[in-house]
Amino acid sequence: GENVEQHPSTLSVQEGDSAVIKCTYSDSASNYFPWYKQELGKRPQLIIDIRSNVGEKKDQRIAVTLNKTAKHFSLHITETQPEDSAVYFCAARENNAGNMLTFGGGTRLMVKP
Amino acid sequence: NAGVMQNPRHLVRRRGQEARLRCSPMKGHSHVYWYRQLPEEGLKFMVYLQKENIIDESGMPKERFSAEFPKEGPSILRIQQVVRGDSAAYFCASSPGQSEQFFGPGTRLTVL
Repeated sequence: GENVEQHPSTLSVQEGDSAVIKCTYSDSASNYFPWYKQELGKRPQLIIDIRSNVGEKKDQRIAVTLNKTAKHFSLHITETQPEDSAVYFCAARENNAGNMLTFGGGTRLMVKP
Repeated sequence: NAGVMQNPRHLVRRRGQEARLRCSPMKGHSHVYWYRQLPEEGLKFMVYLQKENIIDESGMPKERFSAEFPKEGPSILRIQQVVRGDSAAYFCASSPGQSEQFFGPGTRLTVL
């Protein structure tokens, strides 16, 4: 089955700086990679996703890159703001009938004002 | 269009009791997934259901746990004879097909 590793587990940045979170996956058949943001006590919210036929996707201050050969993908947040503080999870979905997501262990991002 | 609904939001049970968690998917979504999240950890897949069918239950413990998604009504995750290790947040997600999954607010189960 799929295995997703996520780094770092905690990340502290100054407001206005960029933050980068990296994930690796094991199953080359995986074809869909979403990122979720979870604030304390709240539900995970989908913030951006990328499919295996695309190398990069951007939405305002958030971008995701995918390297299929190396089997890793990254989340980039520019001009960070205190409200970006949360736990971020990457996930991978295998290209099979199951449609299940395998999540990374999460990154706690703290943006200091 | 209301989002994914879960109830109860908080559930307290004593060891040995049963816990029933409910999930109503978003309108138009026929695929439901259950995930478990232990404190300070990521989400672990439990089960994937479509109406009246279990598609993938590879993440479900072999005993005490069961799930259903009947033709009418919400999906139910049932935990029999709960133990302290079952304490966690249980999230339900739904999707219209094999696409983006949207999560509910979760049920936080505490076993005393």
